[in-house]
Amino acid sequence: EIVLTQSPGTLSLSPGERATLSCRASQSVSSSYLAWYQQKPGQAPRLLIYGASSRATGIPDRFSGSGSGTDFTLTISRLEPEDFAVYYCQQCGSSPPYTFGQGTKLEIK
Amino acid sequence: EVQLVESGGGLVQPGGSLRLSCAASGFTFSSYWMHWVRQVPGKGLVWVSRINTDGSNTDYTDSVKGRFTISRDNAKNTLYLQMNSLRAEDTAIYYCARDPRGPRADLDYWGQGTLVTVSS
Repeated sequence: EIVLTQSPGTLSLSPGERATLSCRASQSVSSSYLAWYQQKPGQAPRLLIYGASSRATGIPDRFSGSGSGTDFTLTISRLEPEDFAVYYCQQCGSSPPYTFGQGTKLEIK
Repeated sequence: EVQLVESGGGLVQPGGSLRLSCAASGFTFSSYWMHWVRQVPGKGLVWVSRINTDGSNTDYTDSVKGRFTISRDNAKNTLYLQMNSLRAEDTAIYYCARDPRGPRADLDYWGQGTLVTVSS
């Protein structure tokens, strides 16, 4: 089973700043099979990025994903107030189990 | 509009059973792989199970194998999760989710979740 480790655990930034979230895998993950989600309190997760770098439908272009192998990054270029939430990476693919990282909480500084 | 609506959660004693349902609308349900994901309130996401389009192929995370059964009724546009021999550690919010590029598990639509509490 692939273990995903996200860092930092909590990121404190101000609106307008750039956010960089990291997801490291215990073994190589195909770039086609890495997704990012956003979750706000009391809500279901929302798919942001799939295939490591493709934005899901309706996701603003301030969200971008990159990386390969064992290191992946979610970047939010300029934080809006609605971006403060918890973010999860997920290892996808044709064979389960599908593991999630433990999450990064993005909070307002 | 794509909608997924879970139901069937509640309080159950250890060793008991529950059946969760997920009613789908706004898309051709029979064309999509579907998944269940759970989350202990305040904690992270855990993938539970998946099912292919016609129900002939299913997979489970190790901790629920032999106790949970995923199924679907494409005529009723409904996904199910039968949960038997429930344990305290199964307490969580259970989400159903759609797999748009199945089987890949990058899940594009999620229900609002249904809370299962296993306690005496």
